[in-house]
Amino acid sequence: NAGVTQTPKFQVLKTGQSMTLQCAQDMNHEYMSWYRQDPGMGLRLIHYSVGAGITDQGEVPNGYNVSRSTTEDFPLRLLSAAPSQTSVYFCASFHLSRGRNTEAFFGQGTRLTVV
Amino acid sequence: DQQVKQNSPSLSVQEGRISILNCDYTNSMFDYFLWYKKYPAEGPTFLISISSIKDKNEDGRFTVFLNKSAKHLSLHIVPSQPGDSAVYFCAATPGGANNLFFGTGTRLTVIP
Repeated sequence: NAGVTQTPKFQVLKTGQSMTLQCAQDMNHEYMSWYRQDPGMGLRLIHYSVGAGITDQGEVPNGYNVSRSTTEDFPLRLLSAAPSQTSVYFCASFHLSRGRNTEAFFGQGTRLTVV
Repeated sequence: DQQVKQNSPSLSVQEGRISILNCDYTNSMFDYFLWYKKYPAEGPTFLISISSIKDKNEDGRFTVFLNKSAKHLSLHIVPSQPGDSAVYFCAATPGGANNLFFGTGTRLTVIP
């Protein structure tokens, strides 16, 4: 059982480059989200989706785009990478039960460095 | 503005003793609280949760206590084991919504 799969695990970008972080889950979870983890900041929500075709912004959405065309996939796009986007990125998915999330399942993370 | 706070960045405990990790929150709309454990180079994994209608929830060696009036929760690990060494994140979610708000984490080291 794969759970939540993130690719790539590591990436180095030059300032101004674009890239897409991939996230896929095989648990038929309605809710998917992207977090970034920075030292001393914990995990901060970037974008989230409560179902296919529905996305919304989290705490730190600037510089990132998302789309949710299928239940399984929730890619995160950096259109023009900046050094401030150097971070570890985690994708998470939840099952919604009676309108509430239950425990979140996280991917293994993508360590991104922007030089 | 950090709505969930873990004021102790690190904690060291002897094997077999109790580990107590603390978490404070400011948003009175939070009604569901979770603890996650994270090993290096891995994603966080769910550990235990508690609803605001309870003040205690146990799962084996792990117990979470919630004090709503103080907006404080704690995770007790008894007895602590070296394999418990990890970063522990407290998280909270407001009623009717689904986003998780995380604390900054506490690194627990259990000394054999």
